[in-house]
Amino acid sequence: GQSLEQPSEVTAVEGAIVQINCTYQTSGFYGLSWYQQHDGGAPTFLSYNALDGLEETGRFSSFLSRSDSYGYLLLQELQMKDSASYFCAVIGNTGKLIFGQGTTLQVKP
Amino acid sequence: GAVVSQHPSRVICKSGTSVKIECRSLDFQATTMFWYRQFPKQSLMLMATSNEGSKATYEQGVEKDKFLINHASLTLSTLTVTSAHPEDSSFYICSARTSGRTGTGELFFGEGSRLTVL
Repeated sequence: GQSLEQPSEVTAVEGAIVQINCTYQTSGFYGLSWYQQHDGGAPTFLSYNALDGLEETGRFSSFLSRSDSYGYLLLQELQMKDSASYFCAVIGNTGKLIFGQGTTLQVKP
Repeated sequence: GAVVSQHPSRVICKSGTSVKIECRSLDFQATTMFWYRQFPKQSLMLMATSNEGSKATYEQGVEKDKFLINHASLTLSTLTVTSAHPEDSSFYICSARTSGRTGTGELFFGEGSRLTVL
């Protein structure tokens, strides 16, 4: 089976840097994705890591360590609009994308 | 990015009626579509995987006779909630993956359909 763990809530202030960790267990592993979801909206794709290392896309970066079954999403220069839920998700050998429970990020002024 | 359109965005129905939700890929052919369900403040739970022209594969615990999925073309999948009950009230979200992106972990999501059963 597949399981993912991520913190339920994170709070930070505008302009700060926040890291959301994700550990996973899966049968087979193809990659780790991150999605953002605002209240009432659909998830939007942020990043995907199939290989170890850091992927940077603007203010957001995502890291993966396959040997540790661990990844994180790093958000820099936080803005109020970054307040949302962030989900890590894995693709295992089933080819299906399975989501973690989500981390609610609250950005304060 | 690719566009997935889902309709209706909101639906309210009476208990016992059936509701159909459509999911369309507007600018690409979706060989595989996924249907997720999300309760408030919870994660997205995969309900089923549908491949064009074949029967859907349901996740454990999902009643296939209650949640009918049809993927008749490369651009359209439908989810019908049959004999809906209040406990079926939820946010239903479809997603699609293009044939060229099978291993990328990127799904394109529809806007979601919020179902309320009275």
